[in-house]
Amino acid sequence: DVKVTQSSRYLVKRTGEKVFLECVQDMDHENMFWYRQDPGLGLRLIYFSYDVKMKEKGDIPEGYSVSREKKERFSLILESASTNQTSMYLCASSLRGGRAYEQYFGPGTRLTVT
Amino acid sequence: AQRVTQPEKLLSVFKGAPVELKCNYSYSGSPELFWYVQYSRQRLQLLLRHISRESIKGFTADLNKGETSFHLKKPFAQEEDSAMYYCALSGQGTTDSWGKLQFGAGTQVVVTP
Repeated sequence: DVKVTQSSRYLVKRTGEKVFLECVQDMDHENMFWYRQDPGLGLRLIYFSYDVKMKEKGDIPEGYSVSREKKERFSLILESASTNQTSMYLCASSLRGGRAYEQYFGPGTRLTVT
Repeated sequence: AQRVTQPEKLLSVFKGAPVELKCNYSYSGSPELFWYVQYSRQRLQLLLRHISRESIKGFTADLNKGETSFHLKKPFAQEEDSAMYYCALSGQGTTDSWGKLQFGAGTQVVVTP
């Protein structure tokens, strides 16, 4: 059974703080994704990575960066958190060469920036 | 550019009534379409995909290329169908879109007894 875990279920940070969201998968997947989920906007891709140290911007990368030092771990970084980054963040992973629908999602981290 | 449109933010239906969630898409090539579901406090999960042409939990969806639609239907809604539903698209054959999903805004379904 694929397991995608995220370091925190709920997180509260102050404006201007540097925030790290961690995602770990245990199925040796090459691809990993970060989305944010907002009411009325659905899921929007922030960044994805198709290999260690490789990354590619998604649809809304502004204000975010990512790190993939190990295959199983994909970190989303908010360099200076702002209130408009309050959201639910979902991580997902999939096999390279796998089909798009074969993404497995984590439980999400609800981030509140005050 | 690819886009997925779900016009209804909220659908409220009675138990036993039919339910239809609308999804329209725009894509220049030949896309794959999917429906995802997220039950309360659970992970997002794949419900069905157009290629498989299967019925999952009583739901079906037909891809209509002429109308660029992929509506989700169930003839008799159950209370356990209450959830958030997302329509999603994946492009085929291009490295830019391979492996990535484009999601709609989502439709919240509430089934009342």
